[in-house]
Amino acid sequence: GAGVSQSPSNKVTEKGKDVELRCDPISGHTALYWYRQSLGQGLEFLIYFQGNSAPDKSGLPSDRFSAERTGGSVSTLTIQRTQQEDSAVYLCASSSPTGQETQYFGPGTRLLVL
Amino acid sequence: GEDVEQSLFLSVREGDSSVINCTYTDSSSTYLYWYKQEPGAGLQLLTYIFSNMDMKQDQRLTVLLNKKDKHLSLRIADTQTGDSAIYFCAVPKGGGSYIPTFGRGTSLIVHP
Repeated sequence: GAGVSQSPSNKVTEKGKDVELRCDPISGHTALYWYRQSLGQGLEFLIYFQGNSAPDKSGLPSDRFSAERTGGSVSTLTIQRTQQEDSAVYLCASSSPTGQETQYFGPGTRLLVL
Repeated sequence: GEDVEQSLFLSVREGDSSVINCTYTDSSSTYLYWYKQEPGAGLQLLTYIFSNMDMKQDQRLTVLLNKKDKHLSLRIADTQTGDSAIYFCAVPKGGGSYIPTFGRGTSLIVHP
């Protein structure tokens, strides 16, 4: 595809439910990043993938958050037992092997936990 | 870890210059970035500067880097209403990582 895509674009869920957010990076991009953007806050780094492995998952806020990447492409961020404070925009970015300093962002998934 | 600070709001008149400032703490970064986020959209890389440069100019955009003071600025000349957006300063975490630490973003409001 032409750019990073994310789905769904919006998700409303009830407190305590699990949600899955999907990211489809630019074809050929080996690095993939997840960020969270809360209202009035900057971007908070969550996890970084190089290929299918995650050398840096230091930003995951709790064990309710997990992510996986398969086939070196699509990634899924899962939030279990959602809480109201999980409400935010979840952004995904990818970068190429030869240009890791340049990240290309998707449009984000806006999550609202009621 | 890296700490990146920006002022939250800037209001300018159309046609004037805008200057958005950023300060950071880690001096080992190789690249420093400016991203733009328009309403309802993801982040778009606007420009970046390599740490051995003092200035980079790209059409209406000028980036200034003062490594001694750990200060980065973005100047937009002849600001237009289409420039209204949130501008994020981003500096890599350091230790050879490309993962950037973002500031909170500066909301630029351009009025006629």
